[in-house]
Amino acid sequence: DVVMTQSPLSLPVTLGQPASISCRSSQSLVYSDGQTYLNWFQQRPGQSPRRLIYKVSNRDSGVPDRFSGSGSGTDFTLKISRVEAEDVGVYFCFQGTHWPWTFGQGTKVEIK
Amino acid sequence: EVQLLESGGDLVQPGGSLRLSCAASGFTFSTFAMSWVRQAPGKGLEWVSVISSSRGTTYYADSVKGRFTISRDDSKNTLYLQMNSLRADDTAVYYCARGGKSSGHMDVWGKGTTVTVSS
Repeated sequence: DVVMTQSPLSLPVTLGQPASISCRSSQSLVYSDGQTYLNWFQQRPGQSPRRLIYKVSNRDSGVPDRFSGSGSGTDFTLKISRVEAEDVGVYFCFQGTHWPWTFGQGTKVEIK
Repeated sequence: EVQLLESGGDLVQPGGSLRLSCAASGFTFSTFAMSWVRQAPGKGLEWVSVISSSRGTTYYADSVKGRFTISRDDSKNTLYLQMNSLRADDTAVYYCARGGKSSGHMDVWGKGTTVTVSS
């Protein structure tokens, strides 16, 4: 199975400051069609997960532009340019390239 | 509005069975792959199973293979998960989510239904 390793697992941030989460996969996530199926999901406290980013860097409709995704191959990053209070929650990376699909362990973002 | 609504979660004894349902609305259900994802209490997300659109090809996580069966009824816009031989470590909130590779995986999620396996 492809192991998705996130770091850090806990990320205290100051409001208005940037934040960055790393996700590394144990194998390349480039699929045979040339696409890279790496997503980022946000789960606010008490809520269902919500997709933020798909295929590495495509932001979903309604997602603020302070969220951005980047990376390639096995190394990916989610960045929040200026953290707001509503960004508190757990962030998961996910790969849909290889079977079985797998998630990272999650990174908990909290306000200092 | 695009919506997914799970139901069927319950308290069940080890070894028992349960069928979860996910009612879809607001989109053409038959054209999307659909997944089940679960989250044990205080833990992360675990993908469980997916069923494709059209041919209904299925895939499962090793942890549920041979015990769980995913299916869909496109005439009822409903996704199912038949869970047999349930174990304590199947205790989780079960979410259904829309989409496979063609739509970038899991762009819409339901609110989840809780399954508790305990004697």
